[in-house]
Amino acid sequence: NAGVMQNPRHLVRRRGQEARLRCSPMKGHSHVYWYRQLPEEGLKFMVYLQKENIIDESGMPKERFSAEFPKEGPSILRIQQVVRGDSAAYFCASSPEGQGANEQYFGPGTRLTVT
Amino acid sequence: GESVGLHLPTLSVQEGDNSIINCAYSNSASDYFIWYKQESGKGPQFIIDIRSNMDKRQGQRVTVLLNKTVKHLSLQIAATQPGDSAVYFCAENWTGRRALTFGSGTRLQVQP
Repeated sequence: NAGVMQNPRHLVRRRGQEARLRCSPMKGHSHVYWYRQLPEEGLKFMVYLQKENIIDESGMPKERFSAEFPKEGPSILRIQQVVRGDSAAYFCASSPEGQGANEQYFGPGTRLTVT
Repeated sequence: GESVGLHLPTLSVQEGDNSIINCAYSNSASDYFIWYKQESGKGPQFIIDIRSNMDKRQGQRVTVLLNKTVKHLSLQIAATQPGDSAVYFCAENWTGRRALTFGSGTRLQVQP
């Protein structure tokens, strides 16, 4: 019973490059959430998606960041033209249909380092 | 904006003692609260949750207390073990919003 999977676990990008973070939700889960965590801080909500739809992107920066959850395949968080301030751990969570937030299961995260 | 915060950044306890981790929240609309445990290099792990219509909930070795009057919740860990060493976060949301708002975390260090 695989949990939420994220890859890569570690990603190094130079300023100006693009970063693509992938998240495969738990089997049977159709809701995906992305959070960002800076060192020694709590997680900050970015975006909530269901299959092929963005439900809540109130925490997503207006520029350079985008997210998708296609009908087939993993959810992708894309960061264009990365800057040093994008360095953080990015966590994905998933939940099943019809359940509340207490059913959010987190993946191990992707640690992005921008050099 | 609204936020969830914690009183103590680091808590050090002796193995076998009870631990109490506190959290203050400011959003009066919040009606659901969760405690997560995060070990180094891992994602948050669900510990226990509580809804605003309750003031206490118990799990295995853990108890969450909610005081809505002063917007405060706490996590009590009984007979703390070395494996409990981690950062603990409180998180909250409210009906109609799935996104969780996390506090800044308390690091629990268990001394053998």
